[in-house]
Amino acid sequence: DTEVTQTPKHLVMGMTNKKSLKCEQHMGHRAMYWYKQKAKKPPELMFVYSYEKLSINESVPSRFSPECPNSSLLNLHLHALQPEDSALYLCASSTAGTQKRAKNIQYFGAGTRLSVL
Amino acid sequence: DAKTTQPPSMDCAEGRAANLPCNHSTISGNEYVYWYRQIHSQGPQYIIHGLKNNETNEMASLIITEDRKSSTLILPHATLRDTAVYYCIVRHNPQETSGSRLTFGEGTQLTVNP
Repeated sequence: DTEVTQTPKHLVMGMTNKKSLKCEQHMGHRAMYWYKQKAKKPPELMFVYSYEKLSINESVPSRFSPECPNSSLLNLHLHALQPEDSALYLCASSTAGTQKRAKNIQYFGAGTRLSVL
Repeated sequence: DAKTTQPPSMDCAEGRAANLPCNHSTISGNEYVYWYRQIHSQGPQYIIHGLKNNETNEMASLIITEDRKSSTLILPHATLRDTAVYYCIVRHNPQETSGSRLTFGEGTQLTVNP
């Protein structure tokens, strides 16, 4: 099973709302990622978690707050977003470098399409 | 990670081979070439990767030139479902412990025509 599940598939929120995006995988991967993808553009890395610790933050504004409560789950908490934050948010997972037979191939979910009004 | 250059778009007839080129002239010795594709409204999908030898799997073949400055992804018998954006990505040895960064370029929009 190479499935990464993201919920919800679609989300509409106002600029004062607080919402969360969720991501789940059961492949035993210890690295998880959040990407942001604007229309007709390639995905851009936002955060990387390795062994449940934040290892990379690509200077993402604090209105995006990631959380990795355990090795299977990754959340992205959203607060006071702007309309320009409307995008497809992609979650991915991979083996981490120290895992046996690590190839670090990233498996992506289908994404959450977020609209900020 | 080394920068890659791909044509913005290509067309291919259904049933024919699709050959997608990628230039990575600044690639260094420990950097791998990865290919992903993204079908409209889906997440990117891993296709294949290699270091210096040619590679083949059930989806595609990867041909890397001897000097490693360019590569070609080959879909041997393209179908309509292969219509997607194809990304060539070069990155460091995947044994790093902190999770592996993927830097996507603009990719190639492959359209398979009936």
